[in-house]
Amino acid sequence: DQQVKQNSPSLSVQEGRISILNCDYTNSMFDYFLWYKKYPAEGPTFLISISSIKDKNEDGRFTVFLNKSAKHLSLHIVPSQPGDSAVYFCAAKDTGNQFYFGTGTSLTVIP
Amino acid sequence: GAVVSQHPSRVICKSGTSVKIECRSLDFQATTMFWYRQFPKQSLMLMATSNEGSKATYEQGVEKDKFLINHASLTLSTLTVTSAHPEDSSFYICSARSGGLAFFGQGTRLTVV
Repeated sequence: DQQVKQNSPSLSVQEGRISILNCDYTNSMFDYFLWYKKYPAEGPTFLISISSIKDKNEDGRFTVFLNKSAKHLSLHIVPSQPGDSAVYFCAAKDTGNQFYFGTGTSLTVIP
Repeated sequence: GAVVSQHPSRVICKSGTSVKIECRSLDFQATTMFWYRQFPKQSLMLMATSNEGSKATYEQGVEKDKFLINHASLTLSTLTVTSAHPEDSSFYICSARSGGLAFFGQGTRLTVV
């Protein structure tokens, strides 16, 4: 049973425009959400996170929004750059410190 | 941030042989490490939780006799794929937690021929 879902397997965006990656979850007990970026043949690297008590966290070009009532979070990248092309995994952590990952969204930023 | 090193990054082995993958936390101690497997176009699948000084905890459907995990020290966990078969070919990634975040190794691409 997939508790964290990324329904868009891929996304293409023009350089300079905004990239919006979406993630939905089912467990209301998740207390922390994270986004990881993964290049081919490499392990995921941490990108940005948000606590369940917040609705927005911003770090440079990256902003994560959390809508708890909708059990939805999104990652905004603006402006998008070709180097942002990668697979982005959404992850959620429960109170037992177990992580659950989405299936990933492959972002392609077109120069 | 914390650094997790995984070795080797890629390995090709013959069917029936065993392969060992190492995962090291370089600048912090990890009493618990995690081993994931990623199939093409799929999410990271947790295989097992490696506990320092005790037996690993395997997820349902993961053969513990096939995927041997040893966590001999606070900075090293190893995954040994025994009697590898072509269907074991995959991308294996280890992870360790520090400060509430999960940090990942670089991953190991295993190809069994």
